[in-house]
Amino acid sequence: GQQVMQIPQYQHVQEGEDFTTYCNSSTTLSNIQWYKQRPGGHPVFLIQLVKSGEVKKQKRLTFQFGEAKKNSSLHITATQTTDVGTYFCAESNTGNQFYFGTGTSLTVIP
Amino acid sequence: DSGVTQTPKHLITATGQRVTLRCSPRSGDLSVYWYQQSLDQGLQFLIQYYNGEERAKGNILERFSAQQFPDLHSELNLSSLELGDSALYFCASSPRLAGGPAYNEQFFGPGTRLTVL
Repeated sequence: GQQVMQIPQYQHVQEGEDFTTYCNSSTTLSNIQWYKQRPGGHPVFLIQLVKSGEVKKQKRLTFQFGEAKKNSSLHITATQTTDVGTYFCAESNTGNQFYFGTGTSLTVIP
Repeated sequence: DSGVTQTPKHLITATGQRVTLRCSPRSGDLSVYWYQQSLDQGLQFLIQYYNGEERAKGNILERFSAQQFPDLHSELNLSSLELGDSALYFCASSPRLAGGPAYNEQFFGPGTRLTVL
C-alpha cells in the first residue's frame, strides 16, 4: 500500500507567492524522487534525493530530504503560472517497487 | 516529448472484455514500468520489467498481466474488465534497472486512457 503521505492535497496561491509541498513516511526512505505533472500531461522527473539532510536547488525550486530520511519537501519561490500542475513525491525501495505520494495540485492565480 | 510512445491514446470498451496496451520505451532503455492513475487511487505502480524479465510487482491485479518483448517494447493485458479499471495507464522507461538508492529517473509516456462502460 501507500508508504508516503503528501500534503496538502490542493494549494491555490497568488502569482508571486511561495509554495511548499511535503512528503512524510512512517518508515525510513531509501530515496525520494519528485515529479511534476501538468494538467492533461504525464509525470516529468524533477530530481532525486538520496542522502540524509540533502538539499538541492533548481532555479526557484528547492528540494530537501529530512535528516531522518522520513520526510521531504519541495519549495517553490515566487510562483509563476508555468508552475501549475500536480507535484508528486515517490520512493523506490530495494525491491524495485515504486510508491508515489497522493500529489499536491498547485493552482497559480495570475 | 519523452521519447516513450504508448498506443492507443484512448480506449473505450465494455465490462468483461480484454484489452492490450502497448508501450515502446526510449531508444536504448532496458527498463519498462507500468502505472495506473485514477482519481481516487493516485499513481499506482503495477509492474517493472528489465531486459525482458519481470523485476518487481506492485499493486497489479491477477486479471492484469504484462510482458516485455526481445525488442524491448512492452504490453499490458487487462482482462475481465470492470468499471473500476477505468483509468489512465502510463508506461515509463529508464536506461537501467531502478530501485533503492540507484538513480531512478523514469521517462513517462503520454498514457492510454481506458474507459470501461
